[in-house]
Amino acid sequence: GAVVSQHPSWVICKSGTSVKIECRSLDFQATTMFWYRQFPKQSLMLMATSNEGSKATYEQGVEKDKFLINHASLTLSTLTVTSAHPEDSSFYICSARASWEANGYTFGSGTRLTVV
Amino acid sequence: QKEVEQNSGPLSVPEGAIASLNCTYSDRGSQSFFWYRQYSGKSPELIMSIYSNGDKEDGRFTAQLNKASQYVSLLIRDSQPSDSATYLCAVQNSGNTPLVFGKGTRLSVIA
Repeated sequence: GAVVSQHPSWVICKSGTSVKIECRSLDFQATTMFWYRQFPKQSLMLMATSNEGSKATYEQGVEKDKFLINHASLTLSTLTVTSAHPEDSSFYICSARASWEANGYTFGSGTRLTVV
Repeated sequence: QKEVEQNSGPLSVPEGAIASLNCTYSDRGSQSFFWYRQYSGKSPELIMSIYSNGDKEDGRFTAQLNKASQYVSLLIRDSQPSDSATYLCAVQNSGNTPLVFGKGTRLSVIA
């Protein structure tokens, strides 16, 4: 099946620093990549939709200047958490769909971000 | 606001029993329905998808969809301890739109 590679799998950073998370579609071209955030014992909440070559669309309540999304190629989308704070600590997951996949979306393995 | 509701559980069943997981959704325009399994600290993995009313079986799993009642369920037969996880119901409106997830039901299968 389709594979989305996400890195890093976990990261610890100091408050005020920035962290970049990468998602690569390995065997398909991802025109669209969805970025989710999941707090403990909560559901996956859509943060933004990134489209190759255009600006990302952010969900209500998500600060676009804080969560920078770049989708410069059909196989790479990045999420940068700028000036991270402890409340940004969460599990971040990307998701995309291969055109030849009949069912659902493929998820990256997730990034556990801890801001100290 | 599109909503997907699930009982958070935990749902505890003995090994070998049938586990029944339920989900309701608010958007009548929803077209595609998915069940994902998520182990702690991991990303979701697709268990079942269903698109039309009725039952769909795949091994020990059966998904049931009733669009009139806006209800989706997942039955797990012969439950195993390895089935212990959080099960997420996800709904999609159409095409390339994002999935909307419920909060998940935590299932515990007791050996």
